[in-house]
Amino acid sequence: EVEVVDSGGGLVQPGGSLRLSCATSGFIFTEHDIDWVRQPPGKGLEWIGRTRNEANTYTTEYAASVKGRFTISRDDSKKSVYLEMTSLEIEDTAVYYCVRDLTGESYFDFWGQGTLVIVSS
Amino acid sequence: DTQLTQSPSSLSASVGDRVTITCQASQDIRNSVNWYQQKPGKAPKFLIYDASHLETGVPSRFSASGSGTYFTFTISSLQPEDIATYYCQQSQNLPFTFGGGTKVEIK
Repeated sequence: EVEVVDSGGGLVQPGGSLRLSCATSGFIFTEHDIDWVRQPPGKGLEWIGRTRNEANTYTTEYAASVKGRFTISRDDSKKSVYLEMTSLEIEDTAVYYCVRDLTGESYFDFWGQGTLVIVSS
Repeated sequence: DTQLTQSPSSLSASVGDRVTITCQASQDIRNSVNWYQQKPGKAPKFLIYDASHLETGVPSRFSASGSGTYFTFTISSLQPEDIATYYCQQSQNLPFTFGGGTKVEIK
């Protein structure tokens, strides 16, 4: 059974940093890209970035809204992905979802339960 | 960026009604549209890929079609458990983008 579990959210001050984790199981991790999607309270979904698989040379890609501030990394040995967030802004307040991406197709077939990040002073 | 415009933003229908949502893209995205269902307080659930292909296990009352810039999503007979917000997503161009969502309620 495929499982995606995201964690690490919390309250952080503007300008601060936070690291989210995504632990997976139940599928061949090395075959998949993994993406992050966020959802501000009461609003819609925003794709923020992805880490591609080894076959795609672990390339990372980001939305303009987070590029230069957020970094996605992966550890294939732990079947895990990480989202390092720096220079956080109030507008980054959202539920963050880690999602499995069907590599080559770029649709999100399994989602984590979400972890809430609140940026506030 | 490829903009996706969903309409309506919300709708109210009776159990058994046919419900249709549209998703219009700002440029040609071939058949690269996927659809998700999100119930309150839950993560989105993947329903349909490549414009019209039903994910395994998704009830057959859900369907979708379209290509190019115009896409539709249909629930053939609305059920109480279908109350949710539905999103389209394009996977043709980076950054991947979502429509604004359609909230479906029971009348």
